Amino acid sequence: KAGVTQTPRYLIKTRGQQVTLSCSPISGHRSVSWYQQTPGQGLQFLFEYFSETQRNKGNFPGRFSGRQFSNSRSEMNVSTLELGDSALYLCASSFGVGVNTEAFFGQGTRLTVV
Amino acid sequence: GENVEQHPSTLSVQEGDSAVIKCTYSDSASNYFPWYKQELGKGPQLIIDIRSNVGEKKDQRIAVTLNKTAKHFSLHITETQPEDSAVYFCAASWLEYGNKLVFGAGTILRVKS
Repeated sequence: KAGVTQTPRYLIKTRGQQVTLSCSPISGHRSVSWYQQTPGQGLQFLFEYFSETQRNKGNFPGRFSGRQFSNSRSEMNVSTLELGDSALYLCASSFGVGVNTEAFFGQGTRLTVV
Repeated sequence: GENVEQHPSTLSVQEGDSAVIKCTYSDSASNYFPWYKQELGKGPQLIIDIRSNVGEKKDQRIAVTLNKTAKHFSLHITETQPEDSAVYFCAASWLEYGNKLVFGAGTILRVKS
């Protein structure tokens, strides 16, 4: 059974640009959550999607957005990139929602903003 | 909002010894507590979890205990091996917030051979 797939693995962008990251969850999983990991702030929740609907949003500016498609694949977008957006962005896949189901993480996308 | 504190931040043990990592949470409504292991260059890997209706859970060399009254939970690794060296994260979530996980700051575990 394939795991969570995140693409691309590495990205280098310039300040002011925008970026789109992709996540394919485990087959049959309908919930996708996104997290930002930095040395200073640790793992922080960005948002969660289930059945194409955003169920939850973390405390991030509106430059961070996401969406989920009918096949459960998800994308997140960061517009007007800042140096502080450099981080490892992780996607987590869960079977359902609201029943404390296990979350399985992908390998992440390492974003560097220069 | 929910807050999870994790201690210690670094832990060095001799191969074969036990390692214990402790976490406390602030929201008494939290009811799901997973532990993740993250190796360099990889995403966090779920190693064990516990739900609020259970006090202890064990899986081979790994065990987790939960004290709901004190609002803390702990990870116990026995007979540590060099491949246990990694960063370990505890997390908490609660039913009303779906799958949102609030993570501790992490513990760097070094197992010396």
